[in-house]
Amino acid sequence: EAGVAQSPRYKIIEKRQSVAFWCNPISGHATLYWYQQILGQGPKLLIQFQNNGVVDDSQLPKDRFSAERLKGVDSTLKIQPAKLEDSAVYLCASSWGVSADTQYFGPGTRLTVL
Amino acid sequence: RKEVEQDPGPFNVPEGATVAFNCTYSNSASQSFFWYRQDCRKEPKLLMSVYSSGNEDGRFTAQLNRASQYISLLIRDSKLSDSATYLCVVNMRGNKLVFGAGTILRVKS
Repeated sequence: EAGVAQSPRYKIIEKRQSVAFWCNPISGHATLYWYQQILGQGPKLLIQFQNNGVVDDSQLPKDRFSAERLKGVDSTLKIQPAKLEDSAVYLCASSWGVSADTQYFGPGTRLTVL
Repeated sequence: RKEVEQDPGPFNVPEGATVAFNCTYSNSASQSFFWYRQDCRKEPKLLMSVYSSGNEDGRFTAQLNRASQYISLLIRDSKLSDSATYLCVVNMRGNKLVFGAGTILRVKS
């Protein structure tokens, strides 16, 4: 079974630039999550989708971050404009249903903002 | 108070040792609890779920204490390959998982 795919794996940008990350969840998984993991911290949920609807985006900085999940499959997370404090690993995860089932994580995108 | 708190460690133990981690959570209504493992520069992976009755999987044992609002993870006969960060995860509200900052374990030969 193919796992969660993410791209790119690494990205270096300058502050105030824009960046986008892509995620393809495990086939059949209805729920998709985007997490931000800053060095030395645990993953922090940014947004959770069930199919193509948003379940929770309470911790998403909506003035600069946006995410979408068209057709209930792939998802993109965008940052515009980036700040230095956005440097982190952005992890995408998916699970079967809306309950807190096992979440399967992708390898993440490591973002460095200079 | 943080929603999920863990001792960051590191815990440095010799091979074959027994080591235990605790994790406390703030929301008494939390229903689901998990331990995830994260290797250096890798993604988190589920290690085990934590049930009210406890859960054992080989050398790993997880316990839940609802009265004191903490969960624990016990690793017996530590292996070099157990070296990793162990993340305590709590289902706080509905379907939202909150991750602790993790406890670093280093097993040395």
